[in-house]
Amino acid sequence: EADIYQTPRYLVIGTGKKITLECSQTMGHDKMYWYQQDPGMELHLIHYSYGVNSTEKGDLSSESTVSRIRTEHFPLTLESARPSHTSQYLCASSRADTQYFGPGTRLTVL
Amino acid sequence: GESVGLHLPTLSVQEGDNSIINCAYSNSASDYFIWYKQESGKGPQFIIDIRSNMDKRQGQRVTVLLNKTVKHLSLQIAATQPGDSAVYFCAENPGNTPLVFGKGTRLSVIA
Repeated sequence: EADIYQTPRYLVIGTGKKITLECSQTMGHDKMYWYQQDPGMELHLIHYSYGVNSTEKGDLSSESTVSRIRTEHFPLTLESARPSHTSQYLCASSRADTQYFGPGTRLTVL
Repeated sequence: GESVGLHLPTLSVQEGDNSIINCAYSNSASDYFIWYKQESGKGPQFIIDIRSNMDKRQGQRVTVLLNKTVKHLSLQIAATQPGDSAVYFCAENPGNTPLVFGKGTRLSVIA
């Protein structure tokens, strides 16, 4: 079982707000990832990081940013939330190829 | 482009029967494959993996088969139980990018 945590688990906010979704892992994994997923649908890679001070964009990165200042922490920021951002956001980490997922944050933008 | 796709979006099986979930991948350079199970409201959970130098791997009630000739991956679940109801994703590792995930198959177990 992987030790990866996401907060908050649920968030309801208004349009235009700036939000940060938190993700932390205690396994010392160098690699971390953010995915967006509508319920029961495919995962879309938003951002990933292969180490401290290293971040890469995925498929849906244009409306969000990430930072990797510490190995264990990989926050995702939406500068101005919109209803189209309503979705589940999943964080994952890996030492090599196998990714371990957190429980997700379900975001609703009104 | 690189993609991993599943043949069936939904699968319904009777409790106690065996389930087979299929996956087609497109990148012949992929050398590692994983099956994940995702229950409602949770993140995907690792089930079983297989490397390209193998064609079969067994776990507890689960077996993964890899056919590199036709680029096909399958997950077999023996004696399917209600707790197996979930969405199942296959994923491939092309080698120089993060895992590529398939679209998912929803497995429903009929009691």
